[in-house]
Amino acid sequence: QVQLVQSGAEVKKPGASVKVSCKASGYTFTSYAIHWVRQAPGQGLEWMGWINDGNRNTKYSQKFQGRVTITWDTSATTAYMELSSLRSEDTALYYCARSTGSTYDYWGQGTLVTVSS
Amino acid sequence: QSALTQPPSASGSPGQSVTISCTGTSSDVGGYKYVSWYQQHPGKAPRLMIYEVSKRPSGVPERFSGSKSGNTASLTVSGLQAEDEADYYCSSYAGNSNFVFGTGTKVTVL
Repeated sequence: QVQLVQSGAEVKKPGASVKVSCKASGYTFTSYAIHWVRQAPGQGLEWMGWINDGNRNTKYSQKFQGRVTITWDTSATTAYMELSSLRSEDTALYYCARSTGSTYDYWGQGTLVTVSS
Repeated sequence: QSALTQPPSASGSPGQSVTISCTGTSSDVGGYKYVSWYQQHPGKAPRLMIYEVSKRPSGVPERFSGSKSGNTASLTVSGLQAEDEADYYCSSYAGNSNFVFGTGTKVTVL
């Protein structure tokens, strides 16, 4: 069965970086794209960016351009999302999601990132 | 890229129907047949309910349906059940490999 298992919760200081992993299993990893979506406490879903299945190109939301980097390791069937220059507003639950086209059909369990001094 | 606009809340009694709107622009909702809907229960990851405007994935009850007219997409839940109480989000392709979510709607079953 398809599974996306994310790394554990992180606590970071303002200005630091965080790297969240998303381990995929149960399907051919390189046949699907991976998107990253975040959800601040009590707030809605926010699209951050994605890595394309075909050519491994990435696209980031303008809001995060310059601060976010999405990569993947095909041998480890794992995708990564690194967010730098963290500020308190980045405290959120970060999800990875598998996509076919524009549809997110499987989601990770979420990784809580807390930014606090 | 601005978030798609959804009503903050919607409600209905068991057995009734509720419809949630998702309004965007001709650059996202109105420009593509790539609108999807997600259900999220508290403390859980989102779940895909509708994709490509009106298609229902395997395992999603038939009482969930989607449609689109112009720049507004809609999700209708017919025959409301207690377990349908959740937050619902729309999502759309926004061109140039960008994507956008709606603001979210809390559905309450009275």
